[in-house]
Amino acid sequence: DGGITQSPKYLFRKEGQNVTLSCEQNLNHDAMYWYRQDPGQGLRLIYYSQIVNDFQKGDIAEGYSVSREKKESFPLTVTSAQKNPTAFYLCASMGGVTDTQYFGPGTRLTVL
Amino acid sequence: QQPVQSPQAVILREGEDAVINCSSSKALYSVHWYRQKHGEAPVFLMILLKGGEQKGHEKISASFNEKKQQSSLYLTASQLSYSGTYFCGTELSHSGYSTLTFGKGTMLLVSP
Repeated sequence: DGGITQSPKYLFRKEGQNVTLSCEQNLNHDAMYWYRQDPGQGLRLIYYSQIVNDFQKGDIAEGYSVSREKKESFPLTVTSAQKNPTAFYLCASMGGVTDTQYFGPGTRLTVL
Repeated sequence: QQPVQSPQAVILREGEDAVINCSSSKALYSVHWYRQKHGEAPVFLMILLKGGEQKGHEKISASFNEKKQQSSLYLTASQLSYSGTYFCGTELSHSGYSTLTFGKGTMLLVSP
């Protein structure tokens, strides 16, 4: 089955630690996105990538970094510079007949 | 600029109807609608394109008023499974680097 996978589902980290969230898709989509979701805020764009080895900052990129070495993979690193990292993180890819975004199951990050 | 959704929340009894609106201050190329259950990924419902084309689930009804830059999602004969938060995502233009900007969501609760 085609789809988007994110791991882990729940992640706990101590303040000052970097952590990497995984996102993999087998939909053969070129475009991939990372969003952060906080209660009552909707989805806010962190980074996006249209092709391998190229990515752009979204609205709230500070404190985050990404890489796109393979078409299928778009990992997100939450660095210690991110002041309030506790949130629900969603990865998406875009394409297909409807040319819309399809989301992974999300990773809930909690900073202790 | 973030689209504005209204109402913020709505409570229905099973079988009742509801309309959720999404307004933008800028001219849009497309509007994408999603439904999200708590703790889960947003699920694609429908895309409405400038010029009148629509793609999505047959049982979902929506409209896009290009003069007002407003889209409306019509939920008729609501079922318990309709409960969740509905988001609209707006696209200003369609290119290789297009992104969606999401509203804050409309929470819908359908009770028996």
